Amino acid sequence: QLQMQESGPGLVRPSGTLSLTCAVSGGSISTNNWWSWVRQPPGKGLEWIGEMYHSGTTNYNSSLKSRVTISVDKFKNQLSLELKSVTAADTAVYYCARGGYCSGSSCFYYMDVWGKGSTVTVSS
Amino acid sequence: SYELTQPPSVSVSPGQTATITCSGDKLGDKYVCWYQQKPGQSPVLVINEDSERRSGIPERFSGSNSGNTASLTISGTQAMDEADYYCQVWDTGAYIFGTGTKLTVL
Repeated sequence: QLQMQESGPGLVRPSGTLSLTCAVSGGSISTNNWWSWVRQPPGKGLEWIGEMYHSGTTNYNSSLKSRVTISVDKFKNQLSLELKSVTAADTAVYYCARGGYCSGSSCFYYMDVWGKGSTVTVSS
Repeated sequence: SYELTQPPSVSVSPGQTATITCSGDKLGDKYVCWYQQKPGQSPVLVINEDSERRSGIPERFSGSNSGNTASLTISGTQAMDEADYYCQVWDTGAYIFGTGTKLTVL
């Protein structure tokens, strides 16, 4: 059974860089899936940050694109997120999730496996 | 950018039917999925491709999508169904989540 687990610093200084990793176990990251990051500010809804395919292709939320980098380490079987120039508005629970895939001529866009989330606070 | 609108809250009595809506322009032309999120927990996918119930999800959960509105229906709602629910679509290279609905089982 595929499991995902986020890890990283719980506190980041304003203007600094938020860095998180997501360890994938029980399955390979080099499958026919995209791998996503999603965040949820306290008391608010879900916001998709971006995704990566194991080949290195990425898609990012246009509102965060200038500050986000998502990468995949196939050998460590993990996904990483970097968010630069953070402010208090980036305070949130950050989730990694297994995203969509294509089969034949059809593509399916949903997130069926989620990590437990990593709480990140941006504060001095 | 594409937007999905949900009612902030829905209340239902135990055993009754709860319907949560998700509205978006020509939403029926897209596939909609639904997530359930209980306090302090990660979202759980309950419905994909408008009406496909995920393995392990009770039969009382069902989905539909037509025109500009998708719906998640919970028949015979139980106390354990109290949670936040989010709809989601894929639009022009991005995942879009709905605004979320808090379901209260009174």
